[in-house]
Amino acid sequence: EAGVAQSPRYKIIEKRQSVAFWCNPISGHATLYWYQQILGQGPKLLIQFQNNGVVDDSQLPKDRFSAERLKGVDSTLKIQPAKLEDSAVYLCASSLGGLGNSPLHFGNGTRLTVT
Amino acid sequence: SQQGEEDPQALSIQEGENATMNCSYKTSINNLQWYRQNSGRGLVHLILIRSNEREKHSGRLRVTLDTSKKSSSLLITASRAADTASYFCATDADRNDYKLSFGAGTTVTVRA
Repeated sequence: EAGVAQSPRYKIIEKRQSVAFWCNPISGHATLYWYQQILGQGPKLLIQFQNNGVVDDSQLPKDRFSAERLKGVDSTLKIQPAKLEDSAVYLCASSLGGLGNSPLHFGNGTRLTVT
Repeated sequence: SQQGEEDPQALSIQEGENATMNCSYKTSINNLQWYRQNSGRGLVHLILIRSNEREKHSGRLRVTLDTSKKSSSLLITASRAADTASYFCATDADRNDYKLSFGAGTTVTVRA
């Protein structure tokens, strides 16, 4: 089966600019996640979708971050405006279920550098 | 806040040796998962262990879970250079949210 696809692979922007990341999950996976991974740390959940509905976005900085999952398949994560502390790897993952008993399948991430 | 904490932060071993890393967590869990991350790549799922299980094996990997101590360990036997990676535990708290929280990881270096 094809894995989780993410693009772009790398992105460099200046602070206050906007940026968008795209994710295509594994076909048939109902749950989609966006994680932020700062260098040297573990992934931190930003938002979790079940089909096209939001299950959890408690750690999403909603004043600058937004995410959507169109038709319960692809998803985009946007940052506007970006801050220096947003420099991180943004990982998309998907799973069959969303109850913590399904393995997550991760994409290779988008490495964002904000200068 | 992160639920799990891995120990040690970093580990360097010789090829062929065993590597053991631990994960401690704070609240009761439903499941605990271990993941591997190679440099510049996404995480890869290794093993899932449920709260009513005590030990699981997968190839050269052995995971134990002690819910009374709120801890888990991952053992990699007969390590290879390809095992060089960061290893993360992830837990879902025994509440109704099922959110997976990752620790900060253990970086394992296997020397040839």
